[in-house]
Amino acid sequence: AQSVTQPDIHITVSEGASLELRCNYSYGATPYLFWYVQSPGQGLQLLLKYFSGDTLVQGIKGFEAEFKRSQSSFNLRKPSVHWSDAAEYFCAVGQPGEKLTFGTGTRLTIIP
Amino acid sequence: AAGVIQSPRHLIKEKRETATLKCYPIPRHDTVYWYQQGPGQDPQFLISFYEKMQSDKGSIPDRFSAQQFSDYHSELNMSSLELGDSALYFCASSPPGPPSGANVLTFGAGSRLTVL
Repeated sequence: AQSVTQPDIHITVSEGASLELRCNYSYGATPYLFWYVQSPGQGLQLLLKYFSGDTLVQGIKGFEAEFKRSQSSFNLRKPSVHWSDAAEYFCAVGQPGEKLTFGTGTRLTIIP
Repeated sequence: AAGVIQSPRHLIKEKRETATLKCYPIPRHDTVYWYQQGPGQDPQFLISFYEKMQSDKGSIPDRFSAQQFSDYHSELNMSSLELGDSALYFCASSPPGPPSGANVLTFGAGSRLTVL
């Protein structure tokens, strides 16, 4: 069965600092990996996705993620966070066009 | 660009009542998914439909039912509501075609159900 682990429940970073959110997956086939962001009371917005090819993928809002098959990881990064990045971040795994399995999420807090 | 439309955005019901949530997928999307997200929880897959047929089933209670109509919109019906049903219910849709980078789920803004 597929599963996603986000080890960090809550992360606090200073505005302008770099960010890395961890995601580890377990999947029987070639994984298709996603990062979604959710602002309070809002829907899920796709940040980026990985299907194949270059293991470093670029997303919206200056985010990127790197797929590392040997570590079963798909960590999300941003070089310099902005106060507007404060939100809940979900890593997900699944096949295109099929249901997604989400991690438990990481809440990001930005301090001035 | 058109997005996934969910209605109502907010709904308040009492225990043992029924509720119906509606989802209008992006035009030409033929697959609809329902997710439930409890407070502080990750989204949990409930059920999905492809071409008006149930395609997958997750942790959907027997008190809940859903269907997809000829215009591809979907409705989630919840009966005998319990306090624990209070959650944000998301609908997502995906386009037809073979699996590819384009078959990404697009989520609606969600319907927040509060059971008192």
